Amino acid sequence: GAVVSQHPSRVICKSGTSVKIECRSLDFQATTMFWYRQFPKQSLMLMATSNEGSKATYEQGVEKDKFLINHASLTLSTLTVTSAHPEDSSFYICSASQGNEGNQPQHFGDGTRLSIL
Amino acid sequence: EDQVTQSPEALRLQEGESSSLNCSYTVSGLRGLFWYRQDPGKGPEFLFTLYSAGEEKEKERLKATLTKKESFLHITAPKPEDSATYLCAVRVYSGYALNFGKGTSLLVTP
Repeated sequence: GAVVSQHPSRVICKSGTSVKIECRSLDFQATTMFWYRQFPKQSLMLMATSNEGSKATYEQGVEKDKFLINHASLTLSTLTVTSAHPEDSSFYICSASQGNEGNQPQHFGDGTRLSIL
Repeated sequence: EDQVTQSPEALRLQEGESSSLNCSYTVSGLRGLFWYRQDPGKGPEFLFTLYSAGEEKEKERLKATLTKKESFLHITAPKPEDSATYLCAVRVYSGYALNFGKGTSLLVTP
C-alpha cells in the first residue's frame, strides 16, 4: 500500500518551455502533498506544501509564480515549472501522507529529472 | 533553527561488516524521526518512524534507535544490496513537512 506515482520520470527541453509534473497517490487519498527539490549529493529541500482545494504554501525563497502548484483532487497534485531556464534543472520529488497526523510517514514518488538546455 | 546532521557522509563496508549511521537533531518539539533509503535516480523509500527516546524498530538487517538528541541506524552483516543513501528526517509539532539531513552514502562491497 501507500504508492505514489510521479510522471514523467525525465524531461529534457529547451529554455523557456513550461513543464508540468504530475504526482498521484494510487491507493490512498492525500489531503496534503509535498514538493521537494534535490541537487546532486544534497538533501531534499522542501519547496511547497500542496493542499487539496486551496492554495499551496511555499517555502521562503521559492517563487510561486515560477513553480505553479495545483491540487485539484485528493489523489493528484501537479507542479508546473513555468518558462524554465537551465538553473531550474534539478531532481523534483513529490510525496504524500495517508493522513494529517504527525505520525504518518510521507511516501515518495520516484522523482522527475528535469534538464533544461 | 531546526537542524538535522548525518554522519558519516559516506561509508564503505565489506559484506558482513556491521556498522552504524548517525543522525543528530536539534528541533523544537520532535513529532517523529523518519529513516528513508534512497537508490540513485529514485525517490526515498520509507524504512522506520521513531517517536520517543528509547524506542527501537527493526527490519531485516536494519535496526533504528532513538535518544533525545540522536538516532542510529545499525546495519548488521550488510550485503551489497544494502548499498544506497540513507536519509534521516524529522517532523516537528508546528507542521507536517519533513526536514531532511544530507544523508549517508553507504557502499557495501562483496
